[in-house]
Amino acid sequence: GAVVSQHPSWVICKSGTSVKIECRSLDFQATTMFWYRQFPKQSLMLMATSNEGSKATYEQGVEKDKFLINHASLTLSTLTVTSAHPEDSSFYICSAGTSGRQYEQYFGPGTRLTVT
Amino acid sequence: AQSVTQLDSQVPVFEEAPVELRCNYSSSVSVYLFWYVQYPNQGLQLLLKYLSGSTLVKSINGFEAEFNKSQTSFHLRKPSVHISDTAEYFCAVSVGGGGADGLTFGKGTHLIIQP
Repeated sequence: GAVVSQHPSWVICKSGTSVKIECRSLDFQATTMFWYRQFPKQSLMLMATSNEGSKATYEQGVEKDKFLINHASLTLSTLTVTSAHPEDSSFYICSAGTSGRQYEQYFGPGTRLTVT
Repeated sequence: AQSVTQLDSQVPVFEEAPVELRCNYSSSVSVYLFWYVQYPNQGLQLLLKYLSGSTLVKSINGFEAEFNKSQTSFHLRKPSVHISDTAEYFCAVSVGGGGADGLTFGKGTHLIIQP
């Protein structure tokens, strides 16, 4: 149980275009979803936290207008990288928490974004 | 703000030997502590956590970690490793509990098991 999927697993886009990444909780309701970014050989950095039906809370230094997060339902959150540039190339990982299990997050497998 | 330091980026160990992966944290408030494991091409999985109570916590696959408040450490140990333990291990802290609060991660330690 507690499976989180991400789609796509790998995406290549051209500079200036936008790309959407989906994060789904497959067998539980995710009251809270998190988006992380991971650079090669670096730790995961929390980008934002979102609760279903509410606006996302972004970490300091994360551009809200560039990284649009939508958490429209208890099983789906999306991250849209707008006007992507090569420096946005990274590994994006989502995770989900549920109100029934306060101390655990369930992680998706990640999405590798390459901007050319 | 919190920070996590994993002192070793890579730890090679022979099969059946013991291993310790080090983790130190910094925080001005009390935190919850976690170890996550990431196998190749998979998402992070919770290995074990310290919330309160006994400072020694154990996982079902033989790993254990001990919370040391005075040294602000949460080192991960296993007395005898197997090839299947080859993975990336991340130490993390949370202020709010981890399910409703984002995690602060260390850079990870790649555990390499040599036959």
